[in-house]
Amino acid sequence: AQSVAQPEDQVNVAEGNPLTVKCTYSVSGNPYLFWYVQYPNRGLQFLLKYITGDNLVKGSYGFEAEFNKSQTSFHLKKPSALVSDSALYFCAVLKGGFKTIFGAGTRLFVKA
Amino acid sequence: GAGVSQSPRYKVAKRGQDVALRCDPISGHVSLFWYQQALGQGPEFLTYFQNEAQLDKSGLPSDRFFAERPEGSVSTLKIQRTQQEDSAVYLCASGIGTSGRGYEQYFGPGTRLTVT
Repeated sequence: AQSVAQPEDQVNVAEGNPLTVKCTYSVSGNPYLFWYVQYPNRGLQFLLKYITGDNLVKGSYGFEAEFNKSQTSFHLKKPSALVSDSALYFCAVLKGGFKTIFGAGTRLFVKA
Repeated sequence: GAGVSQSPRYKVAKRGQDVALRCDPISGHVSLFWYQQALGQGPEFLTYFQNEAQLDKSGLPSDRFFAERPEGSVSTLKIQRTQQEDSAVYLCASGIGTSGRGYEQYFGPGTRLTVT
């Protein structure tokens, strides 16, 4: 059973507009949730995580994500997109203590 | 500062050859992970080490895959008798604490393995 789903292969947004990259999960209990970004020719970089506490978590480069338990979602957001935000974004969930399950990724294109 | 490094960055192997992929984690990091990333997909978990102990190897695709971290720092992923389906990018990541407490992972650049 898939533990994390990113329903959009690609998201297109104009620079300056808000962006949302969607993620839903299907792990029982209290999940640990992460967002990572992969820039071209660079390794994956950690953006932010939800462990416990405030449902809105803030991360690097102005990104934030909202944990919604009832909708089992952890969407990534940014109020104003930059061209330099264009990259591949991965949602991930920690399952069973050791295994991190990654989504298939969403490619974000920000047009100038 | 020094991040996670992996070597070689690229490896071409003939079908049936054995390969060894090396990962140097960030110094002092307790956790070490190996992932396999196929083209256009997210990383898939292979195995997890906490210091020198391999606590989870449930993601290793077959008994041709073997990983070790004998002194709790450098790790090697070995693939015996490589097959074409082994072609992928192999990622290593390390974490400052134990995995179950939700520490983020720091990824290396990966080794791109091509089996011909």
